[in-house]
Amino acid sequence: DQQVKQNSPSLSVQEGRISILNCDYTNSMFDYFLWYKKYPAEGPTFLISISSIKDKNEDGRFTVFLNKSAKHLSLHIVPSQPGDSAVYFCAATESNFGNEKLTFGTGTRLTIIP
Amino acid sequence: KAGVTQTPRYLIKTRGQQVTLSCSPISGHRSVSWYQQTPGQGLQFLFEYFSETQRNKGNFPGRFSGRQFSNSRSEMNVSTLELGDSALYLCASTPSSVAGGYEQYFGPGTRLTVT
Repeated sequence: DQQVKQNSPSLSVQEGRISILNCDYTNSMFDYFLWYKKYPAEGPTFLISISSIKDKNEDGRFTVFLNKSAKHLSLHIVPSQPGDSAVYFCAATESNFGNEKLTFGTGTRLTIIP
Repeated sequence: KAGVTQTPRYLIKTRGQQVTLSCSPISGHRSVSWYQQTPGQGLQFLFEYFSETQRNKGNFPGRFSGRQFSNSRSEMNVSTLELGDSALYLCASTPSSVAGGYEQYFGPGTRLTVT
């Protein structure tokens, strides 16, 4: 039972344009969401997170949007740069102290075309 | 601060053998989690240790076990290896404080191949 879904296995975007990565979740207990970026032969690197009390969080070129009613979140990267080419994972958790389990999606491979 | 380190980085084992993987968390981080990454499955949570105790557990068979030492370093063991255990095993650490924040910091992983 995939509780966090990333339905696009891959995405190609022109350099300088906006990249939009999508993620859906089914578990209504999830209230904290994270995006990670992964290069080959490296571990995932934390990018940005959002709590369910917000609907938007911004950090430089990265913005995450959360639509609780639709159980959907998206990551916007503007402008896209060649170094952004990587696999992006969406993750979710229930924000209780003592619960460190992250549930991940299957990832979206983003390719930035120069 | 040094990041999360994992040893070994690569490992080849035969079916039926057992394997032990090691993880050293970021200094000051008390929680260590383990994940398995396989193609098409994303990262699957194995278990989490805090103060030498398993605090959270995923849906993996009992062949997968772990432990944590008093210095927060953690080991993961897989017994009676199967071909399907071939994967990238990732360790992550976090301070796990009541101040909140659920970001986990990952090591580079151990690539296990079972033949």
